[in-house]
Amino acid sequence: DTGVSQDPRHKITKRGQNVTFRCDPISEHNRLYWYRQTLGQGPEFLTYFQNEAQLEKSRLLSDRFSAERPKGSFSTLEIQRTEQGDSAMYLCASSPLKGQGFGSPLHFGNGTRLTVT
Amino acid sequence: AQKVTQAQTEISVVEKEDVTLDCVYETRDTTYYLFWYKQPPSGELVFLIRRNSFDEQNEISGRYSWNFQKSTSSFNFTITASQVVDSAVYFCALSGAIQGAQKLVFGQGTRLTINP
Repeated sequence: DTGVSQDPRHKITKRGQNVTFRCDPISEHNRLYWYRQTLGQGPEFLTYFQNEAQLEKSRLLSDRFSAERPKGSFSTLEIQRTEQGDSAMYLCASSPLKGQGFGSPLHFGNGTRLTVT
Repeated sequence: AQKVTQAQTEISVVEKEDVTLDCVYETRDTTYYLFWYKQPPSGELVFLIRRNSFDEQNEISGRYSWNFQKSTSSFNFTITASQVVDSAVYFCALSGAIQGAQKLVFGQGTRLTINP
């Protein structure tokens, strides 16, 4: 169990640029989640995959945001035309499908900190 | 709508003191899960405990203990004989039991500083 891995750890970009983040979940975990955390706040749910299917998206996820999990393994989160309000920590988490399902604790990565200047 | 409130924004104590972090939640679900996570400076959220809505037994794990009271919608966390390594931001979270998605609703967090 190598844990959830996120890349890059930090990203600084200029307003209007596109950015893409990658998440590698724990290998046997079917469920993958993206959360966003702004300074001084708790994480907020963005979207969720079960295998390769994106089953739910938050209203926080505007049209500029898109997430994929093409082969049911790693996932990418892309933000187009970044805005200063997108500056935040983007957290990826995974959990197993079997067992207690929604009761299974999420395993989080270290996050990608995005700064939009 | 679900909501988690952690009224204590910051707590600072001296090492070896006991400290309690408060968590109050709101939900209309009859079945739900409550969690505590720790976020050290490295940023990774570390799972500490899960409790389901049907299990009101308090739990103790080493220096950590949790007090779940449905009557007051509270799920408080106590660290006994605190240590400097306990310094972190602690989050309480709530998950609904419908639809299967692990949509955790987090509180704002409590920043705990243990001074030597």
